[in-house]
Amino acid sequence: GENVEQHPSTLSVQEGDSAVIKCTYSDSASNYFPWYKQELGKRPQLIIDIRSNVGEKKDQRIAVTLNKTAKHFSLHITETQPEDSAVYFCAASQNQFYFGTGTSLTVIP
Amino acid sequence: DTEVTQTPKHLVMGMTNKKSLKCEQHMGHRAMYWYKQKAKKPPELMFVYSYEKLSINESVPSRFSPECPNSSLLNLHLHALQPEDSALYLCASSQDVQGNTEAFFGQGTRLTVV
Repeated sequence: GENVEQHPSTLSVQEGDSAVIKCTYSDSASNYFPWYKQELGKRPQLIIDIRSNVGEKKDQRIAVTLNKTAKHFSLHITETQPEDSAVYFCAASQNQFYFGTGTSLTVIP
Repeated sequence: DTEVTQTPKHLVMGMTNKKSLKCEQHMGHRAMYWYKQKAKKPPELMFVYSYEKLSINESVPSRFSPECPNSSLLNLHLHALQPEDSALYLCASSQDVQGNTEAFFGQGTRLTVV
């Protein structure tokens, strides 16, 4: 099965700085890579996703890059705000979702 | 309607009780999932239903019994649980099980087994 690794497990940044979270996957058949944000006590919510036929995707302050050859993808958050503080999960999917171990992001005001 | 609704939100049950968790979606999604999530851990897949048929069972103990009565509903029947089964149980749905579309999560049922 698929194995998704995610780093770092915790990340603290000053408000306004950028945050980068990286994931690697093992199965070259995976073709869909979503990123979920989960605030404390709430459900995971999709913030951005990318499919294997695309190398980069951006939505306002959030961007995701995918390197299929190296089997890694990254989440980039620019101009971070305190409300970005949450746990972020990457996932790789072909016929089911395999989640990374999560990154707890803290944005310090 | 892009909501996945789960009931109840909280559940406390004894080890000899029988209870059920319910999940409902009206997005026309044909894939529905049960996940278990422990604190500070990623969601862990339990079951996948595709077109109302069980397609994946991730070696889940038989004290958890899923049921899909129709394309909008998914239940998880609980019996003789252990304290270590205490967790957040998340239901999710997606367009299909091809895995290349967004999964929408319910708000979860926080289960405590005493």
